[in-house]
Amino acid sequence: GAVVSQHPSRVICKSGTSVKIECRSLDFQATTMFWYRQFPKKSLMLMATSNEGSKATYEQGVEKDKFLINHASLTLSTLTVTSAHPEDSSFYICSALGASGVRHEQYFGPGTRLTVT
Amino acid sequence: AQSVTQPDIHITVSEGASLELRCNYSYGATPYLFWYVQSPGQGLQLLLKYFSGDTLVQGIKGFEAEFKRSQSSFNLRKPSVHWSDAAEYFCAVGPSQTGANNLFFGTGTRLTVIP
Repeated sequence: GAVVSQHPSRVICKSGTSVKIECRSLDFQATTMFWYRQFPKKSLMLMATSNEGSKATYEQGVEKDKFLINHASLTLSTLTVTSAHPEDSSFYICSALGASGVRHEQYFGPGTRLTVT
Repeated sequence: AQSVTQPDIHITVSEGASLELRCNYSYGATPYLFWYVQSPGQGLQLLLKYFSGDTLVQGIKGFEAEFKRSQSSFNLRKPSVHWSDAAEYFCAVGPSQTGANNLFFGTGTRLTVIP
């Protein structure tokens, strides 16, 4: 149980275009999902917290107009990178907060490798 | 503000040898502490966590970690490493004094296992 998927696993897009990444909790409902960005040889950096039915909470320094997050259902959150540039190339990881109520019980997706050319 | 330090970027051990991965944290109180493992193509998997109580916690895959308040550390150990343990390991802290469920990660330690 507690499986989180991401789609696509890899995506290449041209500079200036937008790309959407999906994060799904497959066998549980997640009112809260998190989006991280992982740079090479760096830590996972929390970008935003996504709550179902409400606006996402962005971390300091993350442009909310560039990284659009939608948590339209209890099993799906999407991250849209708008007007992508090469510096947006990165590994994006989502996680879903477990439904058991245990603090910080996050289940992670396998990540999406974004390359902007 | 909380922070996590993993001083070792890369560690190489021989199969069968013991392993210790270091993690130090900075937080105003005792945070919730976690170790995750990341293998290529797979999501981060929780190895173990510490919330309170016994400072030596057992996890999956034969891993254990010890919380030392005096050293602000939560080092991960395994007595005998297997080749399949080669992966990236992340220490993380979760705020214990707020209701937030977000995690803050260290920079990771890449483990290489040689035959």
